[in-house]
Amino acid sequence: LAKTTQPISMDSYEGQEVNITCSHNNIATNDYITWYQQFPSQGPRFIIQGYKTKVTNEVASLFIPADRKSSTLSLPRVSLSDTAVYYCLVGPVMNTGFQKLVFGTGTRLLVSP
Amino acid sequence: ETGVTQTPRHLVMGMTNKKSLKCEQHLGHNAMYWYKQSAKKPLELMFVYSLEERVENNSVPSRFSPECPNSSHLFLHLHTLQPEDSALYLCASSQDGTSGNEQFFGPGTRLTVL
Repeated sequence: LAKTTQPISMDSYEGQEVNITCSHNNIATNDYITWYQQFPSQGPRFIIQGYKTKVTNEVASLFIPADRKSSTLSLPRVSLSDTAVYYCLVGPVMNTGFQKLVFGTGTRLLVSP
Repeated sequence: ETGVTQTPRHLVMGMTNKKSLKCEQHLGHNAMYWYKQSAKKPLELMFVYSLEERVENNSVPSRFSPECPNSSHLFLHLHTLQPEDSALYLCASSQDGTSGNEQFFGPGTRLTVL
């Protein structure tokens, strides 16, 4: 599984756009990039997944450059409730069986008023 | 509410006790997972069951014993634990073959070993 590197922490204010970048230089051809969000004392929650270019859902956007060696999670207009730890994970999407997720230390986002 | 429930939510036990953690998923998934999250450490995958068969044992000590009686239920039996086993234990489930194999996590059991 490809190793990922992301900032340990980030600070922002309500209403701002937050971009969290993740490096994954050793990403394999069949690897997808997935982001999870975790609040204190809760399990992680899937945010978004992509393979290349741009993916957008109701929560976030994921930008992936052509070389796929990095990715950026973009959270538009954050609120206090977006304060959480954000994990970037890289690995293959399995057709059968389970998917082994390897979580790193994540990025701790603090949103202030 | 993710469709994955865990009981109990909090558990305090002595090192000589035997207890069990329970996980139930109401999503029709066929893969279930146990994770451990210690303070200030990343989530660690412990066990994986796919179609009720254990497919991953991530070098977990034998004092942790998983059981998957059917595709909706997963247990983690605990005995003679150590204080360093105190952590948040998370259960998750996923569906084979769906887009992204998104894992749905339960709220966790906060375990304290005295």
